[in-house]
Amino acid sequence: GQNIDQPTEMTATEGAIVQINCTYQTSGFNGLFWYQQHAGEAPTFLSYNVLDGLEEKGRFSSFLSRSKGYSYLLLKELQMKDSASYLCAVKPSDYKLSFGAGTTVTVRA
Amino acid sequence: DADVTQTPRNRITKTGKRIMLECSQTKGHDRMYWYRQDPGLGLRLIYYSFDVKDINKGEISDGYSVSRQAQAKFSLSLESAIPNQTALYFCATSGGVGSYEQYFGPGTRLTVT
Repeated sequence: GQNIDQPTEMTATEGAIVQINCTYQTSGFNGLFWYQQHAGEAPTFLSYNVLDGLEEKGRFSSFLSRSKGYSYLLLKELQMKDSASYLCAVKPSDYKLSFGAGTTVTVRA
Repeated sequence: DADVTQTPRNRITKTGKRIMLECSQTKGHDRMYWYRQDPGLGLRLIYYSFDVKDINKGEISDGYSVSRQAQAKFSLSLESAIPNQTALYFCATSGGVGSYEQYFGPGTRLTVT
């Protein structure tokens, strides 16, 4: 089976930085994804890591350590619109994704 | 226009009724997926299809069936709906081997009373 853990909730202040951790134990590994999901809406793709290291995309960065089964998503210069759930997903095989339960981030003024 | 569409967007039905959720895509992708999302449980895979002749069960296929009518259409059926199938259902698509991102439809909120 697949086991993907991430915190349930996080709160941060507008303009601050928040780091969402994700640990995984899966039967295979073909990449790790982060998706953003606003309440009642579809998940939208944020980032993809398949090799160790940091991937930066604007205010969002994602890090992967395959040997530790660990990733984090870093959100910088938080804005109110960043209030959403952030889903960590691992691709254990070529054809499917296994998702964590998601981390709800609340940004306060 | 949205690349992945789902109908209906909301549905309330009674226990024992048969219901079909439909998904269409204009992305030209071969792979299509059905997920359900429940609070605290994340997205769980129900069925997936690599092409019109290929259907595969996911983690939680019991109580569900699917039909891939064409490359662009993938339907999910609940043969006899039960209250614990109340959830948010998402269709997703992706390209072939080497393509990694999945694109999600807007979701169908299903309530079984």
